[in-house]
Amino acid sequence: DSGVTQTPKHLITATGQRVTLRCSPRSGDLSVYWYQQSLDQGLQFLIQYYNGEERAKGNILERFSAQQFPDLHSELNLSSLELGDSALYFCASSPRGWNTGELFFGEGSRLTVL
Amino acid sequence: AQTVTQSQPEMSVQEAETVTLSCTYDTSESDYYLFWYKQPPSRQMILVIRQEAYKQQNATENRFSVNFQKAAKSFSLKISDSQLGDAAMYFCAYMQETSGSRLTFGEGTQLTVNP
Repeated sequence: DSGVTQTPKHLITATGQRVTLRCSPRSGDLSVYWYQQSLDQGLQFLIQYYNGEERAKGNILERFSAQQFPDLHSELNLSSLELGDSALYFCASSPRGWNTGELFFGEGSRLTVL
Repeated sequence: AQTVTQSQPEMSVQEAETVTLSCTYDTSESDYYLFWYKQPPSRQMILVIRQEAYKQQNATENRFSVNFQKAAKSFSLKISDSQLGDAAMYFCAYMQETSGSRLTFGEGTQLTVNP
């Protein structure tokens, strides 16, 4: 158990809908990362937050947004969903915002868009 | 942009034998880190081993070791005395030192361990 909790584990929804994925990092970790894993794109970095502030942005679509709250949990919001958004969405955390590379991953939220 | 390539989509090994997974990467940076992450059927990504580019000595973690060839931009993972629990998808990953733990992953290699 990595200590990172993601909910929900599975989610099925329809095109055009909006969903929210939640992540609780390991106790004391200040950085949260979101990754998307899909068959055609592989594992891609979406966005990073450090202590409530956006630190880095990767291949995140404009339809997607995220935030990190004062208690350090994070939410990834996916809107106007398309079939291609079906993927496994991982949250990971690390103690600091830089130079570690050791990320602790949750079990992921599998999103299926029908 | 940095890229990571794993040319072996699938590998298999007999239990107790040794297997080597390959990884190459492309970067113009001099300061970076390389990693192997494991994704078992439970889906959770787990760090296996880490290598700092400035270190010439290859990293070792119990049965796992790497062969880091900086000039060739090659980073292979050797698993000795393979166990059934080693069966998983293995991802090679790169991190630029100044990127704040933002990882670039390869496509993955599915490792099967045969009893």
